[in-house]
Amino acid sequence: GAGVSQTPSNKVTEKGKYVELRCDPISGHTALYWYRQSLGQGPEFLIYFQGTGAADDSGLPNDRFFAVRPEGSVSTLKIQRTERGDSAMYLCASSPANTPVLGQFFGPGTRLTVL
Amino acid sequence: AQSVTQLGSHVSVSEGALVLLRCNYSSSVPPYIFWYVQYPNQGLQLLLKYTSAATLVKGINGFEAEFKKSETSFHLTKPSAHMSDAAEYFCAVSDRGSNDYKLSFGAGTTVTVRA
Repeated sequence: GAGVSQTPSNKVTEKGKYVELRCDPISGHTALYWYRQSLGQGPEFLIYFQGTGAADDSGLPNDRFFAVRPEGSVSTLKIQRTERGDSAMYLCASSPANTPVLGQFFGPGTRLTVL
Repeated sequence: AQSVTQLGSHVSVSEGALVLLRCNYSSSVPPYIFWYVQYPNQGLQLLLKYTSAATLVKGINGFEAEFKKSETSFHLTKPSAHMSDAAEYFCAVSDRGSNDYKLSFGAGTTVTVRA
């Protein structure tokens, strides 16, 4: 079946602009996660959704970052007033429920470059 | 919070040789532990996971890992490297308990395979 998909695959923007990154999880997966991966580092947790609600947004770096999942499926990560330090790979993952035994399934990521 | 250390940012092996990638966790209570592989321009793929009592875990593509509580380790091995094993490998951990969804990743180990 189809895996996690993310669009766009690449996004180049200018400092100060607003961007939206989309994640389409595996059908039926209730849990959805966003991670950020800077060059040469492992992914870092940003936010976790269980259904429509953000169960844990403690990883969002500041209030310029926001994520939604209005219908419990597709999620959008929104970044306002982008800064050069926001440049990274943004990864989305989903799982059947909020249990690690089942594993998290990752999408290919969106590479964001802020000029 | 959980933390994980991957010793060696780069490993180079000959085709057919043993692959050994090291992962150590920091907590006194053994966490859930995962190994992921990331090929260029692709998302993370789960290789194997330690979530139960079985200390020797077999994964996909001929990889396996052994949990050693006394060494707080979960090193990844493959007896005979193949050219297709060239990729970046990440070890990740999560707490057992209410935060079990939050993966903390190591910095990763890049594997190159020499013909």
